[in-house]
Amino acid sequence: DAKTTQPPSMDCAEGRAANLPCNHSTISGNEYVYWYRQIHSQGPQYIIHGLKNNETNEMASLIITEDRKSSTLILPHATLRDTAVYYCIVRVAEYSSASKIIFGSGTRLSIRP
Amino acid sequence: AAGVIQSPRHLIKEKRETATLKCYPIPRHDTVYWYQQGPGQDPQFLISFYEKMQSDKGSIPDRFSAQQFSDYHSELNMSSLELGDSALYFCASSLGGVDYGYTFGSGTRLTVV
Repeated sequence: DAKTTQPPSMDCAEGRAANLPCNHSTISGNEYVYWYRQIHSQGPQYIIHGLKNNETNEMASLIITEDRKSSTLILPHATLRDTAVYYCIVRVAEYSSASKIIFGSGTRLSIRP
Repeated sequence: AAGVIQSPRHLIKEKRETATLKCYPIPRHDTVYWYQQGPGQDPQFLISFYEKMQSDKGSIPDRFSAQQFSDYHSELNMSSLELGDSALYFCASSLGGVDYGYTFGSGTRLTVV
């Protein structure tokens, strides 16, 4: 799986958009970008994933650059409950076989009131 | 919606004792993953099972073993416990052929004294 690089920490004001960057310059053509987050001592939570098109769901938006070497997770209106460690993970989504997720260091996002 | 169930939530054991952690995946999920998260660390992949067969192995000590049963629940057995085994242990499940991301359980906090 490709290595990702994320800033160790970020902060954002409550109600503002939080933009979390991720570099994955060695990503392969069949690898997806996944985002998970972990709120203190809870199990990691899936947020969103994408291959090359931008994706949006009820939690966040994922913007992937055209060359797929970097991406940005956007939390449109951050709340205090979004304070967590956010992990950007690149991996193959192999149909009909298991594929482990490897967590890197992640970004510790702090939302300030 | 049903989630991944882990038991027990908390466990205290003495050094050299044995511990068994259980994981009940989401109904119809056929793949189970185990992760270990030490204090202040990121989750580390231990082992995974797909359709009751071991599918991948990470940094799991030889003192640990795991299996997936016919009803797809999984158990992580840990023997000769050491102080360094104190950690959060997470289980995750997915449907092997459809990859929308893993669903993690709330974890078991193991304390070895």
